[in-house]
Amino acid sequence: NAGVTQTPKFQVLKTGQSMTLQCAQDMNHEYMSWYRQDPGMGLRLIHYSVGAGITDQGEVPNGYNVSRSTTEDFPLRLLSAAPSQTSVYFCASARGATNEKLFFGSGTQLSVL
Amino acid sequence: DAKTTQPNSMESNEEEPVHLPCNHSTISGTDYIHWYRQLPSQGPEYVIHGLTSNVNNRMASLAIAEDRKSSTLILHRATLRDAAVYYCILRAPLYGQNFVFGPGTRLSVLP
Repeated sequence: NAGVTQTPKFQVLKTGQSMTLQCAQDMNHEYMSWYRQDPGMGLRLIHYSVGAGITDQGEVPNGYNVSRSTTEDFPLRLLSAAPSQTSVYFCASARGATNEKLFFGSGTQLSVL
Repeated sequence: DAKTTQPNSMESNEEEPVHLPCNHSTISGTDYIHWYRQLPSQGPEYVIHGLTSNVNNRMASLAIAEDRKSSTLILHRATLRDAAVYYCILRAPLYGQNFVFGPGTRLSVLP
């Protein structure tokens, strides 16, 4: 049972480039979410999904797109990367939208030059 | 959203108990108190949660004040592996309610 898997672990982009951070879970969880964590700070919610085909914005959605075509996958897209998006990104899932227990991936360290 | 207040940092000696406080004076009746921790270079992990009664599990204990305006996470015997940032979070088990992570408490464990 792999849990929540994030790829890549590290990525360097130039300003204006696009990329997709991948997140997959094998626990049949309905709820999935993306957070970013800047140095010395807590996590801030970017986007979340309560099921396939349903997504919604979190606290800091600007500059990011998401989609949820399957239960397992919840990719995060940066359409035109900016230095302000340099951060560590975490994907998390939970059994249901009201469930208490979040399971996190190991994170993607993204640097935008 | 109800907010929580935690000390920025705490220190403990190895093999001694640790009491991590959290204040949440504006907690609502439906808010559960959750604790997560984040080890260095890892994603957060669930520790414990509760509503009104004290809770115990293999990782820790959660003591909740009678008026629910504060709570304490108790690590009974700190190990070096417990050095982490600990987050206290309030969340109502309602559709659309997300987890809001503050800066947390950075716990250092001294050998």
